[in-house]
Amino acid sequence: DAGVTQSPTHLIKTRGQQVTLRCSPKSGHDTVSWYQQALGQGPQFIFQYYEEEERQRGNFPDRFSGHQFPNYSSELNVNALLLGDSALYLCASSYGQGNEQFFGPGTRLTVL
Amino acid sequence: EDKVVQSPLSLVVHEGDTVTLNCSYEVTNFRSLLWYKQEKKAPTFLFMLTSSGIEKKSGRLSSILDKKELFSILNITATQTGDSAVYLCARRGRDDKIIFGKGTRLHILP
Repeated sequence: DAGVTQSPTHLIKTRGQQVTLRCSPKSGHDTVSWYQQALGQGPQFIFQYYEEEERQRGNFPDRFSGHQFPNYSSELNVNALLLGDSALYLCASSYGQGNEQFFGPGTRLTVL
Repeated sequence: EDKVVQSPLSLVVHEGDTVTLNCSYEVTNFRSLLWYKQEKKAPTFLFMLTSSGIEKKSGRLSSILDKKELFSILNITATQTGDSAVYLCARRGRDDKIIFGKGTRLHILP
């Protein structure tokens, strides 16, 4: 049983570019949450998707957007990249609300 | 914005020591208190606490929640080098948002 998978593992972009990160949830899970973890900080909640809709959102600008597909996989898009967007981006999946979230290995994004 | 504050931010002990990690949180919209261990990348789930005063145990790790004083502790007894990691505390709200603390970086010396 595959756990949560994310791609790519690492990514280097320059300021102003756009990036798309991908997440496949654990089998049987229907809810995907995205987090940004800067160096030395705890993960910060970006948003959560359920039934292909954004259900909750943290304090992130509109440059951060997402999508969930019918197979429950999800994408995180970041436009107009800033140096401060450099971080580890974690995806977590769960079955419905209130249940344990399982984290993927993350995508390390570096913005130059 | 709700806050979760962990202390200490870093800790260095010798193998075999017992450590206590602290976590305080703000109460708005509280559903549960979570502990995770993060070694390289993916945080791995340790405990979920919803009721005050009930200790949860898993091997050498244990945790307890005090909902009156709004804090939780994570204890690790007889520490091993494999316990070296960042330990994250998080508050889960009724809206399912999870707010993490900055973590405690624990280093166990052999």
